[in-house]
Amino acid sequence: KQEVTQIPAALSVPEGENLVLNCSFTDSAIYNLQWFRQDPGKGLTSLLLIQSSQREQTSGRLNASLDKSSGRSTLYIAASQPGDSATYLCAVRDADKLIFGTGTRLQVFP
Amino acid sequence: DGGITQSPKYLFRKEGQNVTLSCEQNLNHDAMYWYRQDPGQGLRLIYYSQIVNDFQKGDIAEGYSVSREKKESFPLTVTSAQKNPTAFYLCASSMQGHTNQPQHFGDGTRLSIL
Repeated sequence: KQEVTQIPAALSVPEGENLVLNCSFTDSAIYNLQWFRQDPGKGLTSLLLIQSSQREQTSGRLNASLDKSSGRSTLYIAASQPGDSATYLCAVRDADKLIFGTGTRLQVFP
Repeated sequence: DGGITQSPKYLFRKEGQNVTLSCEQNLNHDAMYWYRQDPGQGLRLIYYSQIVNDFQKGDIAEGYSVSREKKESFPLTVTSAQKNPTAFYLCASSMQGHTNQPQHFGDGTRLSIL
């Protein structure tokens, strides 16, 4: 059974720092991996989707990498801002559904 | 604008009562999903539907029921058999058969017990 783990569970950094969020999964037979952002009391916003055949995806200050063979993905946030404060969730897709990690709660303070 | 609309935003359930959460999408997506989120936890799949008039149980379907009579709509009923219904419920949709397309989410319904 696929299990997805995210480390750390919470992270607090000063504005301007570059940071890395980690996601690991136990079964490498995935179709893709997706990173989401969730603000308090809100739904999920898709940030990046990496296909199983891809190594990384970039969008603005965000870069996500995927190493399927080792069951790992990282989300790199460059030059963090207070507006980046949110919970970040990763999810892997099997044939027809997503399996989610428990998230990393990020706080960026001025 | 295209998107997913969930209603109501907040819902209260009395003991022994069934309640229905609404989810509507105008993205022309075939697949729709219901998730439950508890504090400090990831999302857990309740039910999903890949096509009209068909749906499958997810990991935590007990105490819930769904219908998919229209492509745009996928309502979730929380029955009295669900003994711990207090949670944040999220609906999502995606293109069926397109694994390179992301899932899109609504803004959720928060359900509490009176």
